[in-house]
Amino acid sequence: RKEVEQDPGPFNVPEGATVAFNCTYSNSASQSFFWYRQDCRKEPKLLMSVYSSGNEDGRFTAQLNRASQYISLLIRDSKLSDSATYLCVLGGGNTPLVFGKGTRLSVIA
Amino acid sequence: NAGVTQTPKFRVLKTGQSMTLLCAQDMNHEYMYWYRQDPGMGLRLIHYSVGEGTTAKGEVPDGYNVSRLKKQNFLLGLESAAPSQTSVYFCASSPRLAGLYEQYFGPGTRLTVT
Repeated sequence: RKEVEQDPGPFNVPEGATVAFNCTYSNSASQSFFWYRQDCRKEPKLLMSVYSSGNEDGRFTAQLNRASQYISLLIRDSKLSDSATYLCVLGGGNTPLVFGKGTRLSVIA
Repeated sequence: NAGVTQTPKFRVLKTGQSMTLLCAQDMNHEYMYWYRQDPGMGLRLIHYSVGEGTTAKGEVPDGYNVSRLKKQNFLLGLESAAPSQTSVYFCASSPRLAGLYEQYFGPGTRLTVT
């Protein structure tokens, strides 16, 4: 089983739609979880951290399920500007972060 | 603050040529990283450094060397470039505890080896 698995997509959704991505991980010792966003031909940037209790930032909600070893990202009221690749990232201790290959989202007018 | 910068932004090399990619950060971060990103492969860690004067191998270190002589700089060298090293190279840094803190990325270097 790969360390971090994501559906590559693309997810094509209309403006205003709600879309959710899941990411599964194999290392149960992982301690930290993040979602990064990467625009086409640009560098990845932190979108949000994922906490055990779940967290929300505006239209974005992230959740962690340690028992089933997955994290999720929900985007409500999708905007054209949300079109990007979303990277699931996890880490633990002093080892570098592990990046998933990403899920591509395209929001269509 | 400039954050993380990379030089050059683009480069075309012939097979067998050498070059050095420079990464600089002005955030006083301890950890620095070099990744390559290829279509369908995601980000793969080449080498990283946990502090000035230290380096460690990542997932795909072969064909690359690195040096961290100054805390703010992390150099990636290709001694004899091969077409398989055509990629986008990203440098990143983080303040400490690599697995727990956000990584800040540079804008990338697009390298083509012909």
